[in-house]
Amino acid sequence: GAVVSQHPSWVICKSGTSVKIECRSLDFQATTMFWYRQFPKQSLMLMATSNEGSKATYEQGVEKDKFLINHASLTLSTLTVTSAHPEDSSFYICSARRQENTEAFFGQGTRLTVV
Amino acid sequence: SQQGEEDPQALSIQEGENATMNCSYKTSINNLQWYRQNSGRGLVHLILIRSNEREKHSGRLRVTLDTSKKSSSLLITASRAADTASYFCATEYNFNKFYFGSGTKLNVKP
Repeated sequence: GAVVSQHPSWVICKSGTSVKIECRSLDFQATTMFWYRQFPKQSLMLMATSNEGSKATYEQGVEKDKFLINHASLTLSTLTVTSAHPEDSSFYICSARRQENTEAFFGQGTRLTVV
Repeated sequence: SQQGEEDPQALSIQEGENATMNCSYKTSINNLQWYRQNSGRGLVHLILIRSNEREKHSGRLRVTLDTSKKSSSLLITASRAADTASYFCATEYNFNKFYFGSGTKLNVKP
């Protein structure tokens, strides 16, 4: 199988602080990783796509300076929510895949609450 | 609306019955993937079907793809209470571009 691990599974932070979320592919090398946001009872919204060693590609309307994505290796991508505000509270999920036109496997998600 | 819209939005059936969910999309795709999500959890990959494929099976799951109608269906046979979850289709309509539908909430009553 293909396992993607996301950490932490939940985090509570104060308004104005930054939070880092990690996404790791445990048993395969991921050429591409994806970051999504999901609001309660809604579908997933693609935020950005990252390839190892290159800059992330952000979807329209997603602030790249607010949601910093780093894809340092073929098994690790990080999403940093900078200067978090209560409206950033959401469920963030990553996915990863080996190559183009193949299955994308998801992490367990991170519940972010900004107070 | 966006690609990959599922219907019905909600489906309630008895254990042992079959469940069928549909997904429609608007533009050509590279592939379509079905996922299951239990409440508050990550997504579990079920099946990927590429644009040149018409049908795929995996255990009790059967997925069809009709590119002429731009639609796909997911059939779960002999459903179990453990199948209760939300099911999403995701269309890859361009390189690394995915859209997820709004999902079908399936409730299987024991």
